[in-house]
Amino acid sequence: GAVVSQHPSRVICKSGTSVKIECRSLDFQATTMFWYRQFPKKSLMLMATSNEGSKATYEQGVEKDKFLINHASLTLSTLTVTSAHPEDSSFYICSAREGAKQETQYFGPGTRLLVL
Amino acid sequence: GESVGLHLPTLSVQEGDNSIINCAYSNSASDYFIWYKQESGKGPQFIIDIRSNMDKRQGQRVTVLLNKTVKHLSLQIAATQPGDSAVYFCAESLYNFNKFYFGSGTKLNVKP
Repeated sequence: GAVVSQHPSRVICKSGTSVKIECRSLDFQATTMFWYRQFPKKSLMLMATSNEGSKATYEQGVEKDKFLINHASLTLSTLTVTSAHPEDSSFYICSAREGAKQETQYFGPGTRLLVL
Repeated sequence: GESVGLHLPTLSVQEGDNSIINCAYSNSASDYFIWYKQESGKGPQFIIDIRSNMDKRQGQRVTVLLNKTVKHLSLQIAATQPGDSAVYFCAESLYNFNKFYFGSGTKLNVKP
């Protein structure tokens, strides 16, 4: 149980285009989902926290208009990287948390984004 | 954000030996800590957690020790196996679990 999936697993796009990444909780309802960014050989950096049905809370320094987050249902959150540039190339990881078990978050497998 | 760091970026151990990975945290108010394992190209995998009202917690082949006095966390892996090779992160959170801050990671290399 407690499986989180991400789609796509890898994506290559041209500079200036937008890319949408999906995060799904497959067998539980996730009231909260987190989005992280990870550079090579670096740690995970929390980008934002999204709660179902409300606006995402962004960490300091993360551009809201650049990284659009939507948590429309209890099993799906999306991260859209708008007008992507090469510096947006990174590993994006989501995690999901059940409401009843607040301390446990389950991570997705990550999405590798390469912007040319 | 909070500051969570690790003493050693890379650790090499012989198969069968015990491994100890260390982590320092800065926020004395943090009361929940987790160790994650991340293999290349994959998301983090939960290993073990501990709350601040505990000093030690044991799992299968793993033990987490918490020293709140010096704000130090460690992960002990017994009889390290090649499959344990990965990057290990500690993470801390405050009581509301709304945010988790990750340390910089330690790469564990297990030599056969």
